[in-house]
Amino acid sequence: KAGVTQTPRYLIKTRGQQVTLSCSPISGHRSVSWYQQTPGQGLQFLFEYFSETQRNKGNFPGRFSGRQFSNSRSEMNVSTLELGDSALYLCASSPVGTGYRNEQFFGPGTRLTVL
Amino acid sequence: KNQVEQSPQSLIILEGKNCTLQCNYTVSPFSNLRWYKQDTGRGPVSLTIMTFSENTKSNGRYTATLDADTKQSSLHITASQLSDSASYICVVSDQTGANNLFFGTGTRLTVIP
Repeated sequence: KAGVTQTPRYLIKTRGQQVTLSCSPISGHRSVSWYQQTPGQGLQFLFEYFSETQRNKGNFPGRFSGRQFSNSRSEMNVSTLELGDSALYLCASSPVGTGYRNEQFFGPGTRLTVL
Repeated sequence: KNQVEQSPQSLIILEGKNCTLQCNYTVSPFSNLRWYKQDTGRGPVSLTIMTFSENTKSNGRYTATLDADTKQSSLHITASQLSDSASYICVVSDQTGANNLFFGTGTRLTVIP
């Protein structure tokens, strides 16, 4: 079974631009979560999508948005990029979510650098 | 406030030695605790998941313990190998619903020959 894939793996943007990251979950998984990881803050939850609906959202500004398609693939968009948005963005999939014993499988991440 | 704290922040050990990483949490109500291993530039990989009723879980040379009364967990690595060099992240989930996950900032382990 193929794992979680994320594209692109690396991205360089300048301040003010917008960016779209893509995540393809493991086949059969319906939940996709997005995380931002920085050296100082560790992993921080952005949002979770389940069956094309945003089910939970972390404490990030509205510049961060996402969506999920009928095939469970998900995209994350960041508008008006800031230097502080430079981070590793991780996507994780699970069969039904992050509840009891529901293991999440992480993708390799997209390294975003904002200049 | 729900928090997860890990110690030490970083650790250097000789190949073949054992080590123990700590995780203290204040998350309530508690659902489960997970340990992840994250190699540099890669996504985290799950090592163990433990619920309230489980106090020990092993995965090869990795053994996690959980004391739900004191809200402490440890990850013990036996006979360390160079490939164990990674960040180890403790994640605690509460029972209040979807995706209430609380992340520690991780312990950076370096195994040297």
